[in-house]
Amino acid sequence: EAGVAQSPRYKIIEKRQSVAFWCNPISGHATLYWYQQILGQGPKLLIQFQNNGVVDDSQLPKDRFSAERLKGVDSTLKIQPAKLEDSAVYLCASSLDLGRSGGELFFGEGSRLTVL
Amino acid sequence: SQQGEEDPQALSIQEGENATMNCSYKTSINNLQWYRQNSGRGLVHLILIRSNEREKHSGRLRVTLDTSKKSSSLLITASRAADTASYFCATDSLYGNNRLAFGKGNQVVVIP
Repeated sequence: EAGVAQSPRYKIIEKRQSVAFWCNPISGHATLYWYQQILGQGPKLLIQFQNNGVVDDSQLPKDRFSAERLKGVDSTLKIQPAKLEDSAVYLCASSLDLGRSGGELFFGEGSRLTVL
Repeated sequence: SQQGEEDPQALSIQEGENATMNCSYKTSINNLQWYRQNSGRGLVHLILIRSNEREKHSGRLRVTLDTSKKSSSLLITASRAADTASYFCATDSLYGNNRLAFGKGNQVVVIP
């Protein structure tokens, strides 16, 4: 079974530029998550989708971050314009359950963003 | 804000020794999960314990949950160099809109 795919693995941009990350979850997984992990910290949830609807985006900085999940499969996370404090690893995860009972999450390898 | 907080933050042990990590949380939960993260990689699920369970085993892993103290522990027995990683607990709050909240993590180094 193929795992969660993310790209790019690494991205370096200057502040005020824009960047987009892509995620392809495990086939059949209804729920998709984007987490931000700053160096030395645990992952922080940015947005959670169930199929192509948003379940939780309360911690997404909506003035600069946006995310979409078209057709309930792939997802993109965009940052525009980027700030220095956005330097982090952006992790995509998916789960089989439909959002209830907190099932196991499967993570991708992450996209490491450096903002100069 | 994230619920889980692991203690201690960093642990260095000899191969063959046991490693114990603790996690505390603030609100009532449906379940608690432990994940491992190797350097530069994504997180890998280790074990899930539900709020009505007190102890669970999986291979060399033993997890306990004390809902009265709102705490959990992860024990790795007979550690190996390959166990070197960061370990995170994550809680699924009863009131948290199905959001899985991660703690800060424990860094474990197993010296061969």
